[in-house]
Amino acid sequence: DAGVTQSPTHLIKTRGQQVTLRCSPISGHKSVSWYQQVLGQGPQFIFQYYEKEERGRGNFPDRFSARQFPNYSSELNVNALLLGDSALYLCASSSPLNTEAFFGQGTRLTVV
Amino acid sequence: RKEVEQDPGPFNVPEGATVAFNCTYSNSASQSFFWYRQDCRKEPKLLMSVYSSGNEDGRFTAQLNRASQYISLLIRDSKLSDSATYLCVVNKASNYQLIWGAGTKLIIKP
Repeated sequence: DAGVTQSPTHLIKTRGQQVTLRCSPISGHKSVSWYQQVLGQGPQFIFQYYEKEERGRGNFPDRFSARQFPNYSSELNVNALLLGDSALYLCASSSPLNTEAFFGQGTRLTVV
Repeated sequence: RKEVEQDPGPFNVPEGATVAFNCTYSNSASQSFFWYRQDCRKEPKLLMSVYSSGNEDGRFTAQLNRASQYISLLIRDSKLSDSATYLCVVNKASNYQLIWGAGTKLIIKP
């Protein structure tokens, strides 16, 4: 059984560009959360989606958006990239009881 | 004050020693608590959930003190492979987001 999968694994973008990151949750998991992890820090919550609806939003600007599809996969979009958006972007899926989060390997985004 | 605070370390510990980490949280209504382990440039992986009664998994013991709002992780007979960053995670009661500490770096030396 596949775990959480994310694509791409690495990405280099220039300032001002837009990026879309993708995540497929563990089969049977309906909740997907996105986190940003800057080097030396713990992950920071960006969004959570459950059954295609936004369930929670962290303290991130409107340049960050996300959506969840009927098959529970999810996309995170970031517009007008800034150098400070360089980070590891982690996707996590949770069981229906939402007690534990399982992470994908992450997408390492570098903005130059 | 940060919602979840950890000593960043690093903790330099000889192989075979016992090491303990604490983590404090600010929201007294928090309901779920976890310890995750993260290796360099890898994703976090669940180490253990933390229950009110305390729980043990092999060499690892986790405890929760609600009155003082902290959780702890004890590692006995430490191995070289225990070297990693240990992240304390708290489930925010008002919604479903997980709040993470910045992590404690552990280095086990031979």
